Amino acid sequence: DSGVTQTPKHLITATGQRVTLRCSPRSGDLSVYWYQQSLDQGLQFLIQYYNGEERAKGNILERFSAQQFPDLHSELNLSSLELGDSALYFCASSTGTLHEQFFGPGTRLTVL
Amino acid sequence: DQQVKQNSPSLSVQEGRISILNCDYTNSMFDYFLWYKKYPAEGPTFLISISSIKDKNEDGRFTVFLNKSAKHLSLHIVPSQPGDSAVYFCAADTSGTYKYIFGTGTRLKVLA
Repeated sequence: DSGVTQTPKHLITATGQRVTLRCSPRSGDLSVYWYQQSLDQGLQFLIQYYNGEERAKGNILERFSAQQFPDLHSELNLSSLELGDSALYFCASSTGTLHEQFFGPGTRLTVL
Repeated sequence: DQQVKQNSPSLSVQEGRISILNCDYTNSMFDYFLWYKKYPAEGPTFLISISSIKDKNEDGRFTVFLNKSAKHLSLHIVPSQPGDSAVYFCAADTSGTYKYIFGTGTRLKVLA
């Protein structure tokens, strides 16, 4: 158990809809990362927050947004969903000063 | 543009023998490299890392070698155990960017 929690575990929705994925980092970690893993692909870095502020942005679509709240949990919002958004979405946390990240179990999103 | 490549999608090794997983990168600005292990239905777990100022880092059965001139790193597992069967991802980062680039993974199967 990495100490990182993600909810929900599974999400099935329809094209055009909007969903919110939630992540709670390990106790004491200030940094949260979001990744997308499509079928047979590596993890694609989406965005990183550190202590409530956006610190780095990767290949995140404009239809996607995220935020980190004062209690350090983070939410990833995906809107106008398309079939190609079906993937595993991982959240990871770290202290923010060390490179090693601790990953949650992921949320599997299926867009029908 | 795949900056971090794991060209072998899968690898099978006999229990007790050495497993060698390879990773190539193209961005010479990368200065920190990590290996993660992933079991099915779980998030990746940090395994071992190496800074670009070193060419080797060892932790128990796991050793990572970095060849900067060849832009190549490898993970050696000795001796391999059935519990090592998992997907292994290498990742790279340029300090200060916080954008971790992952390879597509190599599925290791250790045969008993």
